Amino acid sequence: KAGVTQTPRYLIKTRGQQVTLSCSPISGHRSVSWYQQTPGQGLQFLFEYFSETQRNKGNFPGRFSGRQFSNSRSEMNVSTLELGDSALYLCASSLGLRLAHFTGELFFGEGSRLTVL
Amino acid sequence: GQQVMQIPQYQHVQEGEDFTTYCNSSTTLSNIQWYKQRPGGHPVFLIQLVKSGEVKKQKRLTFQFGEAKKNSSLHITATQTTDVGTYFCAGKHGGSQGNLIFGKGTKLSVKP
Repeated sequence: KAGVTQTPRYLIKTRGQQVTLSCSPISGHRSVSWYQQTPGQGLQFLFEYFSETQRNKGNFPGRFSGRQFSNSRSEMNVSTLELGDSALYLCASSLGLRLAHFTGELFFGEGSRLTVL
Repeated sequence: GQQVMQIPQYQHVQEGEDFTTYCNSSTTLSNIQWYKQRPGGHPVFLIQLVKSGEVKKQKRLTFQFGEAKKNSSLHITATQTTDVGTYFCAGKHGGSQGNLIFGKGTKLSVKP
């Protein structure tokens, strides 16, 4: 079973540019979550998509957006890049279970490492 | 906002020593998960705890969920160099609509 695939793995952008990152979840998984990982802040939740709908959103500015397609693949976009956006962006897929106490485990991709100059 | 606090931030141990990392939340958690991220890698799921006072073991790893479901710990007995990495807890607050909130992780280094 193929894992979570993220592209591109590495990219360098300059301030003011925009970037689109892609995530292909594990086959059969309908939920895709995005996290920003930086050395000082750990893993910060960006948003979660389930069946093409944004189900949850973290505390990030509107420059960060995402979407999910009918095949569960997801993209996230960051517009007007700032130096502080340099980070590892991790995508995680899961079955998307929403039981009262049980949460499905997250399967993370290798990440897209973004450097903003 | 809701947070999950994790301590210590770093831990350096001699191979063979024990290691413990702690997670705390100010509000009750529905469940808590633990992940391990090896250097240069991505987080990998270790375990999920759901019940109050729950204790689970995986070989040398022991996971606990507090009675009040506000804290959790991961204890590694007799660390090995293969245990090196960052350990994250991730808790879900409230009902089924909440998302997982990650602690900032504990980075473990093991000296052979």
